[in-house]
Amino acid sequence: GQNIDQPTEMTATEGAIVQINCTYQTSGFNGLFWYQQHAGEAPTFLSYNVLDGLEEKGRFSSFLSRSKGYSYLLLKELQMKDSASYLCAVRATSGTYKYIFGTGTRLKVLA
Amino acid sequence: DTGVSQDPRHKITKRGQNVTFRCDPISEHNRLYWYRQTLGQGPEFLTYFQNEAQLEKSRLLSDRFSAERPKGSFSTLEIQRTEQGDSAMYLCASSLAPGGNSGNTIYFGEGSWLTVV
Repeated sequence: GQNIDQPTEMTATEGAIVQINCTYQTSGFNGLFWYQQHAGEAPTFLSYNVLDGLEEKGRFSSFLSRSKGYSYLLLKELQMKDSASYLCAVRATSGTYKYIFGTGTRLKVLA
Repeated sequence: DTGVSQDPRHKITKRGQNVTFRCDPISEHNRLYWYRQTLGQGPEFLTYFQNEAQLEKSRLLSDRFSAERPKGSFSTLEIQRTEQGDSAMYLCASSLAPGGNSGNTIYFGEGSWLTVV
């Protein structure tokens, strides 16, 4: 079966660092993606990992361990505008390149 | 590059009516995806196309749903005999076909909100 798990909600303070975890079990793996989604809006692409290790993009970093089926998104120097849902998605192979999304982690950044 | 565009952005319809959504992908992208998202959930895969070929359709998609991409460019998603459970945001996304790295990222349109009353 296909399964992606993320915490439902997290709260952090402006200026702090937060780590959002994602574990996955899919039939095949060909990349893991993180998206940000503000309420009522479409998801926007944040980062992509296909090899083990850390990818850094400004205030955002994403880590992948394929052997553990685990990824995290690290947000540094949190700003109020970072309050959003963060979606973990896996591109599974199993004959086709379908993208499977988790339910998302709703992050609240407090002043 | 204008990104992925969807039309209409909002649709309110009565139960039993048919609705159609249109998606125009990023021009050089040959893969097009439809997802459905309800409140508090992640996007749920419905179907995808490579060029004009529909390569996969979710088992969750009932016979009332049909999608087309006749010329490999824009796509339409039609829902026949709508039910209240169809109320959701319908997201279209596009990408290049796999074969490399981050070029295979899918990019979403702004979504089409459907409310069935």
